[in-house]
Amino acid sequence: GAGVSQSPSNKVTEKGKDVELRCDPISGHTALYWYRQSLGQGLEFLIYFQGNSAPDKSGLPSDRFSAERTGGSVSTLTIQRTQQEDSAVYLCASSSSYTDTQYFGPGTRLTVL
Amino acid sequence: QKEVEQNSGPLSVPEGAIASLNCTYSDRGSQSFFWYRQYSGKSPELIMFIYSNGDKEDGRFTAQLNKASQYVSLLIRDSQPSDSATYLCAVMIQGAQKLVFGQGTRLTINP
Repeated sequence: GAGVSQSPSNKVTEKGKDVELRCDPISGHTALYWYRQSLGQGLEFLIYFQGNSAPDKSGLPSDRFSAERTGGSVSTLTIQRTQQEDSAVYLCASSSSYTDTQYFGPGTRLTVL
Repeated sequence: QKEVEQNSGPLSVPEGAIASLNCTYSDRGSQSFFWYRQYSGKSPELIMFIYSNGDKEDGRFTAQLNKASQYVSLLIRDSQPSDSATYLCAVMIQGAQKLVFGQGTRLTINP
């Protein structure tokens, strides 16, 4: 079956521009997560959506970062006024309501010049 | 103290031997523990999960959990060159639906 999909796979942008990253979770998965993986920093949690509940935004590093999930499925992570330190791989994961197990998408590599 | 700690390696193991990867965590209330494998340039791939104390086996992989010692490990038997990757230990923190990851251990299997 189809796994988690993310687009674009690569994004190069100029400092100060806004970017949108998209995640399409596994069909039927109610939970969706965004993580960021920077060189030498490991994987860090950004935000978590579960069904219609208010998202857990505790990992967002600044107010330039926001995310939404429409219709309980596709999610978009938006980074406004990008900075060079935002360069990283942004990973999306999803899980079903019956398990904690998270499955990752292929990621979006963001490069801010 | 980091919430999840792993030896960054690199860990080098001869082909056919047992590779042992270790992880400690600080939150005593954690209930769910995961091992992910990550090849260079790829996203993490789930290898094992374990919830209860003791051993859990799946093919060549065995996860071991000791909640009293706050320790989780992954054993890979009959190591193959294709097992060469970074192995990430992840812990679900009590009361929060998020994974906290260790820095990962880079494993190299030498033919």
